[in-house]
Amino acid sequence: GEEVAQTPKHLVRGEGQKAKLYCAPIKGHSYVFWYQQVLKNEFKFLISFQNENVFDETGMPKERFSAKCLPNSPCSLEIQATKLEDSAVYFCASSQSQQGGQPQHFGDGTRLSIL
Amino acid sequence: TQLLEQSPQFLSIQEGENLTVYCNSSSVFSSLQWYRQEPGEGPVLLVTVVTGGEVKKLKRLTFQFGDARKDSSLHITAAQPGDTGLYLCAGGRYNFNKFYFGSGTKLNVKP
Repeated sequence: GEEVAQTPKHLVRGEGQKAKLYCAPIKGHSYVFWYQQVLKNEFKFLISFQNENVFDETGMPKERFSAKCLPNSPCSLEIQATKLEDSAVYFCASSQSQQGGQPQHFGDGTRLSIL
Repeated sequence: TQLLEQSPQFLSIQEGENLTVYCNSSSVFSSLQWYRQEPGEGPVLLVTVVTGGEVKKLKRLTFQFGDARKDSSLHITAAQPGDTGLYLCAGGRYNFNKFYFGSGTKLNVKP
């Protein structure tokens, strides 16, 4: 597609429940990035993929967060045993390349609310 | 600590005024992007700069990349209410597999 598509738009979960977010990157883009944006507008990098391979996962809280980008499927970000502090907007972005000035194109985000 | 520091954090001005937003770092970036984000939406790319000293103009917006590729600025001439939003800079670095975001500048242009 021509746009990064994120689903769902809103997700509400009780503390301790699982949450799964999806992202379909722009067709032809090899790189996918996940970010968490909290109340102060700060974009916290979580993980990036080059096709189905993890490119950089230095931002992932590994004990509860996991992500995948499998061929012919939307990418996913899963949070096990959610905590109140996981409440945030999660953005996915895709890019043709990480180098050479190729920018990221963002989806509209998934707002995750943990009650 | 943020790798890219943006200033100011907040800016409230009258329509017609000029403003400049700064994005500074002690690190060198291979490219730098500026985005604008509106409530409930994802950031929308405004411009990418890749060459030290580069200046790009987009109507009333002027973007500059520092000679040493460590800093950038966004200048808006004769701001309009439609310019209201969150402005974010983001940098890519050689051999690092992610983009680094600035802390954002929230701009409010009053009619």
